[in-house]
Amino acid sequence: DVKVTQSSRYLVKRTGEKVFLECVQDMDHENMFWYRQDPGLGLRLIYFSYDVKMKEKGDIPEGYSVSREKKERFSLILESASTNQTSMYLCASSHRQRGTDTQYFGPGTRLTVL
Amino acid sequence: GEDVEQSLFLSVREGDSSVINCTYTDSSSTYLYWYKQEPGAGLQLLTYIFSNMDMKQDQRLTVLLNKKDKHLSLRIADTQTGDSAIYFCAENNQAGTALIFGKGTTLSVSS
Repeated sequence: DVKVTQSSRYLVKRTGEKVFLECVQDMDHENMFWYRQDPGLGLRLIYFSYDVKMKEKGDIPEGYSVSREKKERFSLILESASTNQTSMYLCASSHRQRGTDTQYFGPGTRLTVL
Repeated sequence: GEDVEQSLFLSVREGDSSVINCTYTDSSSTYLYWYKQEPGAGLQLLTYIFSNMDMKQDQRLTVLLNKKDKHLSLRIADTQTGDSAIYFCAENNQAGTALIFGKGTTLSVSS
């Protein structure tokens, strides 16, 4: 059974703080993704990674950075949190099979920035 | 550009069938997906369909694909209160590097 875990379910931070969101998968997946989910906007891709130390910008990378030092771990970093980054953050991973990109999701981290 | 559209809400009575519709733009998508999100949880893969199929059935779930119209639907037979959730349709992007999700359809099931 694929398992994707995220370090916190709920997080409250103050404006200007540096925030780390951690994601770990146990299925040796090559690909990992960070999304944010907001009411009425659905899921929006922030960053993704196809391999260790590799990263690609998604649709809304501004204000975020990522780190992938090990294959199983993908971190999302908010360098200086702002109130408009209050959201649900979802991590996903996938194994790059031929022609498919089935993604498996973690439970999400609900971040509130005050 | 690439886009996936879904209606935002659907309300049904317990025992009825639910049909959730989705349209997509990228005709080169190899697979199309349905995910379910229960309150406070992440997304769970429900099913997917290969683009050369027009129907796939899995217990109470039936997926229909009309490639000509770029229309995908998910039918849930005998809908239960436990089916209340947000359902997302998704396709591969043109580069094949990521999934593009619709905004999700909130299914509300009343008893």
